[in-house]
Amino acid sequence: DAGVIQSPRHEVTEMGQEVTLRCKPISGHDYLFWYRQTMMRGLELLIYFNNNVPIDDSGMPEDRFSAKMPNASFSTLKIQPSEPRDSAVYFCASGAGIYSGNTIYFGEGSWLTVV
Amino acid sequence: GQSLEQPSEVTAVEGAIVQINCTYQTSGFYGLSWYQQHDGGAPTFLSYNALDGLEETGRFSSFLSRSDSYGYLLLQELQMKDSASYFCAVRRRDSSASKIIFGSGTRLSIRP
Repeated sequence: DAGVIQSPRHEVTEMGQEVTLRCKPISGHDYLFWYRQTMMRGLELLIYFNNNVPIDDSGMPEDRFSAKMPNASFSTLKIQPSEPRDSAVYFCASGAGIYSGNTIYFGEGSWLTVV
Repeated sequence: GQSLEQPSEVTAVEGAIVQINCTYQTSGFYGLSWYQQHDGGAPTFLSYNALDGLEETGRFSSFLSRSDSYGYLLLQELQMKDSASYFCAVRRRDSSASKIIFGSGTRLSIRP
């Protein structure tokens, strides 16, 4: 299995631009998580899906952030408009049979810099 | 709400043993996990405790005491490659949700 695949790996964009981060979870996993990691705030859960349905988006910082999961093999996290404070590493993770354990598998992350 | 506390930094000597503690406050607790993250990399799963006691996986062990809301990760025979950040994580059940929340991480530095 290829693991969780994220793109782009690195993105530098100007303030005000739209940013779209993409994620392909591990096949067969029914949970998908988006996390943001910064030095100041650590690993924050932004939103998660179960069977393609958003379950909890209480961690999404504001209306500029949106996430979708149109099918079991693809999810996007969009920031529009982007701001310098959005600079962070964004991780997508997936898991299966969540009630039998806490094991989730992370992608390599998307390193976002907003200038 | 929920919170997890762990030390921000720990330093140890190669070949030694180190323990990283984690205390948590959460409702609907479903278990404590540990993840390792090397600089520039992604967090990777190390261990999971659903019940009280010790779980051993090679040089790494993890312990949980639900009555004390406390757990720890024990690393033995430390190697330089163990230098990384270690996160404890809890799964919390809200009314219709099941979140995995991470602590702020403990940076482990290993000296020769």
